[in-house]
Amino acid sequence: DVVMTQTPVSLSVSLGGQVSISCRSSQSLVHNNGNTYLSWYLQKPGQSPQLLIYKVSNRFSGISDRFSGSGSGTDFTLKISRVEPDDLGVYYCGQGTQYPDTFGAGTKLELK
Amino acid sequence: QVQLKESGPGLVQPSETLSLTCTVSGFSLTSYSVSWVRQPSGKGPEWMGRMWYDGDTAYNSALKSRLSISRDTSKNQVFLKMNSLQTDDTGTYYCTRGDYGSRFAYWGQGTLVTVSS
Repeated sequence: DVVMTQTPVSLSVSLGGQVSISCRSSQSLVHNNGNTYLSWYLQKPGQSPQLLIYKVSNRFSGISDRFSGSGSGTDFTLKISRVEPDDLGVYYCGQGTQYPDTFGAGTKLELK
Repeated sequence: QVQLKESGPGLVQPSETLSLTCTVSGFSLTSYSVSWVRQPSGKGPEWMGRMWYDGDTAYNSALKSRLSISRDTSKNQVFLKMNSLQTDDTGTYYCTRGDYGSRFAYWGQGTLVTVSS
């Protein structure tokens, strides 16, 4: 199975600040069809995960442009700018290129 | 509006079988795939299996011997059955729908399953 490794495990940020979360996969996430199926999710306290970014850098419907994804191959980054209180929670990366789909262990974003 | 809702028993005895239902609305099961994902408390999600739009199924090999997914398109429902439950099967179980480039674009509210005697 593809192992997704997220760093850091937790992150403290001031409101209005900017943060980056790293996600590395144990194998390349480039599919035979040329697409890279790397997604980012946010799980707010007591809620289900919600999709933020799909295929590395595409924002899902209704997601603020303060969220941006980048990367290729095995190294990916989620950046959050102008952090707001509603951004706090646990962020997960996930891959759908290789079976089975797998997720990272999460990065907890907290207020400083 | 896409909606998914899980239902089932909150408590299951060890070695027993878990049966969950995902009731969907706002889309057709013959047009979109539905996946089951579970999440132990404080851990990352784990993909369990998928009902494809054409009725085919796919399972995580780690669970394949214990897991079965089926559907009733007339009732807009997808079913999960998993046997031989143990305490480490405790967690929140979600059904999800794919869209765009992610198989987990829409999530249900989840249902907490506790395996305990």
